[in-house]
Amino acid sequence: DIVMTQSPDSLAVSLGERATINCKSSQSVFYRTNKKNYLGWYQQKPGQPPKLLIYWASTRDSGVPDRFSGSGSGTDFTLTISSLQAEDVGVYYCHQYYDNPTFGQGTKLEIK
Amino acid sequence: EGQLVESGGGLVQPGGSLRLSCAASKFTFSAYWMTWVRQSPGRGLEWVAYIKGDGSDKHYVDSVKGRFIISRDNAKNSVYLQMNSLRAEDTAVYYCARLHIWENSSRYRCFDVWGQGTRVTVSS
Repeated sequence: DIVMTQSPDSLAVSLGERATINCKSSQSVFYRTNKKNYLGWYQQKPGQPPKLLIYWASTRDSGVPDRFSGSGSGTDFTLTISSLQAEDVGVYYCHQYYDNPTFGQGTKLEIK
Repeated sequence: EGQLVESGGGLVQPGGSLRLSCAASKFTFSAYWMTWVRQSPGRGLEWVAYIKGDGSDKHYVDSVKGRFIISRDNAKNSVYLQMNSLRAEDTAVYYCARLHIWENSSRYRCFDVWGQGTRVTVSS
């Protein structure tokens, strides 16, 4: 199985500041044939299911604010929130779908 | 957009069985791979199984192989998870989700629509 490791486990950021979450896979999730990274990012708020934010490592899902962006390739990926809003508090997960799906352990984002 | 509603969770004794259901609406159900994902404090988010749109292909995480069966009824727009020989470590919230279609339908896709989940507790 591909192991996904996120860092940090928790993060406190001031409103309006940048938040950065990292995700590392134990093997590459880049598929050379279509040049896609099989990596997604989700946001989960208390009592709610995960919500898809980013797929193919950098494509925002419909309706996701443009302050959310994804980057990286191969084994190292980053989710960036450019200007933190109060509603962005929650837990963020990376997810690889290159092989049988696996998720990172989650990063809890709070307001400083 | 799509909606998914799970049902069937509850308290069951170790070794018992439970059948989860997920009712889909507002999308062409038969065109999509569907999946079950579970979440527990100890194991985080864990993919459990998925099934192709026509039901002809299924895959499971190793820890449930031989115990869980995923199935679907496209006439009823529903997907199911039959859980047998349940163990304490199967205790979790179980989510039904839809696999994203991009160019085509494939099992190598992210999960773009999720239900609210149904809680399963395995305990004596």
